[in-house]
This record gives sequence, C-alpha cells and structure tokens, in this order.
Amino acid sequence: KNEVEQSPQNLTAQEGEFITINCSYSVGISALHWLQQHPGGGIVSLFMLSSGKKKHGRLIATINIQEKHSSLHITASHPRDSAVYICAVRNTGTASKLTFGTGTRLQVML
Amino acid sequence: NAGVTQTPKFQVLKTGQSMTLQCAQDMNHEYMSWYRQDPGMGLRLIHYSVGAGITDQGEVPNGYNVSRSTTEDFPLRLLSAAPSQTSVYFCASRSAGGPSTFGSGTRLTVV
Repeated sequence: KNEVEQSPQNLTAQEGEFITINCSYSVGISALHWLQQHPGGGIVSLFMLSSGKKKHGRLIATINIQEKHSSLHITASHPRDSAVYICAVRNTGTASKLTFGTGTRLQVML
Repeated sequence: NAGVTQTPKFQVLKTGQSMTLQCAQDMNHEYMSWYRQDPGMGLRLIHYSVGAGITDQGEVPNGYNVSRSTTEDFPLRLLSAAPSQTSVYFCASRSAGGPSTFGSGTRLTVV
C-alpha cells in the first residue's frame, strides 16, 4: 500500500461544477502539499498546510490530521483547471523528503 | 526572480553515455532535491541536499551522482545512461519550513 493514496485517479467534469479530490496518507506528517501539473508542463505548488483549511481564489484545501485525510476543492470549475493534481506529504522528521501520490487527472469540459 | 532553472529541457542519450542535468536557483534556498517522474508512479526522490557541501541519497539513487558546491547549484550526473533512466526529471528547492519550488523539468530519453 502506498503511503499516499489519491482518489479518483481520473475525473471529468463540466464547466461550473464543484470538484473534490481526495488524499489519504498513512504516515505521520509535518506538512501536506497540493501541486498542479499542466500537460507537458512544470509543477506548481498550490497549497502547503499542516492543519485546518486554506483558500486561494476558487481553490480550497482542507486537512484532517486525526483522520490522515486532505481534500482539494475547486469551485466553479473552468477548462483551464484541467491538469494533474498531486498530493505530497513531508514525513515527520525527514529533512527534505516528500512522498507523492500518483496524481488525479482532471479534465473540465465546456 | 528566475526561480528554479533546469537545463536542458530535452535530451536524447545513447546507452552508456554520461551527462549532467543542471539545476540552479536564485532564492537562497537551503534545500534542493532531484526527482524523477514516471508514468503511473508518483515522483520519486533521487538525491537531496540540505545545504552547500551536504548531499544524501533519496529513494532511487543508483546510477546518479550529485554535488552541492554552492547554495545556488545542484547538478545531477548520470554516470552511464541506461534505458531505465528514461524519465522526466524535476529539480526543486525550498527554504526551511517553506513550500517547494519546482523547475520546468528535463525530459530524458535513453536509447
């Protein structure tokens, strides 16, 4: 079993829909990251969080430390949100090691 | 700020050739890392550094060397390229407790 599991693996939505991507992890962490990768593109950090909730524009990230679970929500989705969304955790006590999920491929249709 | 700069963006090597992937950051970040990304798998850590002169192995270090002679630069060397090293390589840097900034990636094909 991977230390970081994401669901769903693939997601197709219509423009305007509310989207949720889930991330579960099995290790103690100091922080959890949500990353975005456009096709053929680089990786951009969306959020880094260790508790509670963060919001940036139409994106919201939440984390429940007790349940070892995080969600990334996209409100009023748009085709430009089409990308792979990656969850990564920084294990407790590791200096510079991120453990990554395999990503959720999101396609938002017009 | 340029952020994290990786070169080259694309490279084709023959089996047995050696090469160096360059990574430079201008944010004075202490931590730098190299990852590889393969289809169906999460990014995997190759090597990392917590400061100039300090490097350590990650999850998949075999066949790769690194050095960190300055804070800015963290090159990744492939000693004798193998087809199994065909991948997309990402360099990342961060400050202590901060989020990672990633380079744009190097797509390497070994034939």
